[in-house]
Amino acid sequence: GNSVTQMEGPVTLSEEAFLTINCTYTATGYPSLFWYVQYPGEGLQLLLKATKADDKGSNKGFEATYRKETTSFHLEKGSVQVSDSAVYFCAPGVYGQNFVFGPGTRLSVLP
Amino acid sequence: NAGVTQTPKFQVLKTGQSMTLQCAQDMNHEYMSWYRQDPGMGLRLIHYSVGAGITDQGEVPNGYNVSRSTTEDFPLRLLSAAPSQTSVYFCASSYRVGEKLFFGSGTQLSVL
Repeated sequence: GNSVTQMEGPVTLSEEAFLTINCTYTATGYPSLFWYVQYPGEGLQLLLKATKADDKGSNKGFEATYRKETTSFHLEKGSVQVSDSAVYFCAPGVYGQNFVFGPGTRLSVLP
Repeated sequence: NAGVTQTPKFQVLKTGQSMTLQCAQDMNHEYMSWYRQDPGMGLRLIHYSVGAGITDQGEVPNGYNVSRSTTEDFPLRLLSAAPSQTSVYFCASSYRVGEKLFFGSGTQLSVL
């Protein structure tokens, strides 16, 4: 079945620091790759996605590149803000199969 | 544009009580699902549906029932609540299974 491994955190950074959250996955078929974000007290929402190898997804200053050879989809941001404090979930999505989510990575950004 | 609407937002039950968590979406999505979120466990799939009249079990279905009589609605029923069901519950939908999920805002349930 599909699975994902990502650093659990918590990750604590100062404002304007560089962020990397590692994600590796296993999936059958040809997955799209997703990063979801959960802000405090809210449901998950899509942050970015990539649909095929070497694609780069980007949104709100976050980026992730679909690396098929290393089965990875690491999330990066050059300069984090306090408002980025949230829990981040990486997940492979395969047509016809349910999403499998890991525990997520909690990020805290200090002013 | 309402998206995925869950009610209630908070609920406290006593052991043995029953209740229904409501979920509705207005995007004409075929796929709907229920997850529970527990500390350190991530999101675990309870039940899902790929269309009206079709439901199936996920990873942790025991103690829960679902039905899908319309495309829009996918209620989750707790038949006899147990303290182990204390959790945050999320409803999510998408056009088809495996595609981008849209989540509701969650229901925080405590079973005493």
